[in-house]
Amino acid sequence: QITLQESGPTLVKPTQTLTLTCTFTGFSLSSSGVGVGWIRQSPGKALEWLAVIHWNEDTHYSPSLFRRVTITKDTSKNQVVLTITNMDPVDTATYYCAHRIVAAGMGYWGQGVLVTVSS
Amino acid sequence: DIQMTQSPSTLSASVGDRVTITCRASQSISSWLAWYQQKPGKAPNLLIYQASSLESGVPPRFSGSESGTEFTLTISSLQPDDFATYYCQQYSSYPWTFGQGTKVELK
Repeated sequence: QITLQESGPTLVKPTQTLTLTCTFTGFSLSSSGVGVGWIRQSPGKALEWLAVIHWNEDTHYSPSLFRRVTITKDTSKNQVVLTITNMDPVDTATYYCAHRIVAAGMGYWGQGVLVTVSS
Repeated sequence: DIQMTQSPSTLSASVGDRVTITCRASQSISSWLAWYQQKPGKAPNLLIYQASSLESGVPPRFSGSESGTEFTLTISSLQPDDFATYYCQQYSSYPWTFGQGTKVELK
């Protein structure tokens, strides 16, 4: 059974760096074809894709966050970490991590973590 | 970036209705399209991938089709559990992009 769980701060101040961890079970990020992505959703808004990392270290980022975002994986810990620098109130959103198989959609999602950016 | 234009933004329907939601890509994405259902306060749930492949465990009243750059999600007979917001997403090229969502509400 595949599960994912996001963890991290729920409140950050403007200009601070946000670090979110996605801890997963039921699959290995060293298996061919597997990836983990991050998606966010501002209150009342649509889904926004942020980044993805694959089993082979292939990594991609949203251009809207390109210079601020980093995604890494720790295969031994079954974790993926998302870092966003210089947080702003417009970055207030629920952040989700999700599992995907190449050629398919994101079939398993974490429950999400609401991150509020406020001084 | 590939733009995904989803319509309508809101759809009012009754239980038993046949419902159709459309998503148009700004350029060719082959069949690399997924559909998700999201209920308030919950994570999205994958319904369809590769434009027309039904995700395991999803009821067969959901189906997907494509014609060029236009993609359609159809619910053959709307059930009470189907009132939710639906999103399309292309994964043909980066950055992946989502449509703006279609809220299916009770008429």
